[in-house]
Amino acid sequence: GAVVSQHPSRVICKSGTSVKIECRSLDFQATTMFWYRQFPKQSLMLMATSNEGSKATYEQGVEKDKFLINHASLTLSTLTVTSAHPEDSSFYICSGGREETQYFGPGTRLLVL
Amino acid sequence: GESVGLHLPTLSVQEGDNSIINCAYSNSASDYFIWYKQESGKGPQFIIDIRSNMDKRQGQRVTVLLNKTVKHLSLQIAATQPGDSAVYFCAETNQAGTALIFGKGTTLSVSS
Repeated sequence: GAVVSQHPSRVICKSGTSVKIECRSLDFQATTMFWYRQFPKQSLMLMATSNEGSKATYEQGVEKDKFLINHASLTLSTLTVTSAHPEDSSFYICSGGREETQYFGPGTRLLVL
Repeated sequence: GESVGLHLPTLSVQEGDNSIINCAYSNSASDYFIWYKQESGKGPQFIIDIRSNMDKRQGQRVTVLLNKTVKHLSLQIAATQPGDSAVYFCAETNQAGTALIFGKGTTLSVSS
């Protein structure tokens, strides 16, 4: 149990376009979902915490207008990277919270050209 | 401030050996800890967790030890296999209990 999926797994886009990443908890309801960013050979950096039906809480230094998060249901959260630039290229990982434990998706590799 | 760190960035072992991966944390109020395994290009995978009211917890081939006196957490992997090769992260809950704080990770390499 506690499976989380992400779509797409990999995306390449042109600079200036927007990209939407979906995160779904497949076999449990996640009241809280989390979005992380990971650069090569580095640890996970929390970007925002998303609670179903309410606005996301962003970590310091993360632009909420650039990284739009929607958590419309207990099993789906989306992250939209707006007007993406090459420096936004990274590995984006979501997780769903069940009690105190977080279960992670497989990640989405974003490359902005 | 809150931080979780690891003693060694890399660990190389032979297949069949026991591995010990260490982690030091700074928040003495943390009451929940998790070890994750991350293979290349994948998301972190839950391995084992432990609460602060315990000092040891065992899973299948893995054991987590918690020493609250020195704020130290370790993951022991018995009979390490090539499939155990990955980056291992320890994580603790933040003060509010609303999120996880990750350490820097230890890369475990297992040679046959």
